[in-house]
Amino acid sequence: AQSVTQPDIHITVSEGASLELRCNYSYGATPYLFWYVQSPGQGLQLLLKYFSGDTLVQGIKGFEAEFKRSQSSFNLRKPSVHWSDAAEYFCAVGEAGNMLTFGGGTRLMVKP
Amino acid sequence: EAQVTQNPRYLITVTGKKLTVTCSQNMNHEYMSWYRQDPGLGLRQIYYSMNVEVTDKGDVPEGYKVSRKEKRNFPLILESPSPNQTSLYFCASSTRANTDTQYFGPGTRLTVL
Repeated sequence: AQSVTQPDIHITVSEGASLELRCNYSYGATPYLFWYVQSPGQGLQLLLKYFSGDTLVQGIKGFEAEFKRSQSSFNLRKPSVHWSDAAEYFCAVGEAGNMLTFGGGTRLMVKP
Repeated sequence: EAQVTQNPRYLITVTGKKLTVTCSQNMNHEYMSWYRQDPGLGLRQIYYSMNVEVTDKGDVPEGYKVSRKEKRNFPLILESPSPNQTSLYFCASSTRANTDTQYFGPGTRLTVL
């Protein structure tokens, strides 16, 4: 069965600093990979997704993620964090025609 | 406006009293699913539906039922709620499958006493 691990439950960064959120997955074939963001009291919104092709994927709000097959990772990055990026971030993996599995989430706090 | 709606948004109930949480989407999506969100556990899929009259179990289906009689609606039914079903529930839909972008509803916070 597929699984997703987000090792960092909480991360605090200063505004303007760079950010990297980690995601590791367990799945036999090349999975469909997603990052979603959940602002307080809201539903989830897609940041970016990877299916195939270029392993560096650009998303909304200045986020990007890199798929590394050898490390089974799909880490999310942003070069300069804004206070409005404070939220919870979820990595997810999908197997064609089946379930969608989410990681436990990483809560990002941004210091002024 | 394209959206997924859920009702009610908040619900407090007692053990054993049957309840239904409705979910509706207006995007003509084929794939719909229900998740529960618990602290530290992320979102866990309860049930999903690939199309009308096609449903399947997710990771945590015990204690829940679903039906998909119409394309736009996917209600979640708790026949006999228990306190361990206290959670935040999200409905989501996508064009065809779990591999497409999911559009989430606003969530339903359920408390079972």
